[in-house]
Amino acid sequence: SDVLTQPPSVSVAPGETATITCERDNIGAKSVHWYQQRPGQAPLLVISFDSDRPSGIPERFSGSNSGNTATLSISRVEAGDAADYYCQVWTFNSDHPGLFGTGTEVTVL
Amino acid sequence: EVQLLEAGGGLVQPGGSMRVSCTVSGFSISDNYMSWVRQAPGKGLEWVAVIYSAGSTDFADSVKGRFTMSKDNSKNMLFLQMTDLRAEDSAHYYCASKYCSSGSCYFDHWGQGTLVIVSS
Repeated sequence: SDVLTQPPSVSVAPGETATITCERDNIGAKSVHWYQQRPGQAPLLVISFDSDRPSGIPERFSGSNSGNTATLSISRVEAGDAADYYCQVWTFNSDHPGLFGTGTEVTVL
Repeated sequence: EVQLLEAGGGLVQPGGSMRVSCTVSGFSISDNYMSWVRQAPGKGLEWVAVIYSAGSTDFADSVKGRFTMSKDNSKNMLFLQMTDLRAEDSAHYYCASKYCSSGSCYFDHWGQGTLVIVSS
């Protein structure tokens, strides 16, 4: 089945950069969107169309997508960045148009 | 201000049925694609269903044939009718609006979710 594979967890010290990957064959041909989900809260869009930041999202959040890997980077990590992060793609005219990644828990040390 | 408010969750027995709803304010659902996304406790996000502006629907394979999605444009409400419920359908159910452009879509507004528990 079609799967977007993310590492289960990433640990990062405050001030450092967290890098979260999302892997799928030829994902570079799709637009990838990223969500942050804090405990007990609904997901929040942090990156759309590979690298666009919605209004209100800090510049510390950035994205890229090429080949078989899409990447979300969080620079100068803060304690408030601790959350689960999910990638997502959409494919019209597919058996399963909506697809989320497996999710990555970011821990700030 | 955009708000999505789900309602109707609760406890249901395996094989039973349940309908959850989503009341939307701040924009008209008639012109938008709307979706349901679920999350089992402690698990990841799973897209469940979409209803397009014209009213056609699509479903994840895991719920196809058991769930239906509808909307009432006059009330700005969405509905997810779930039948033949299984333990693995237990989850928080979120309604979300979708923005689509250039052949892709993302979920830009989310409700806070309603919890459905399937258990005897």
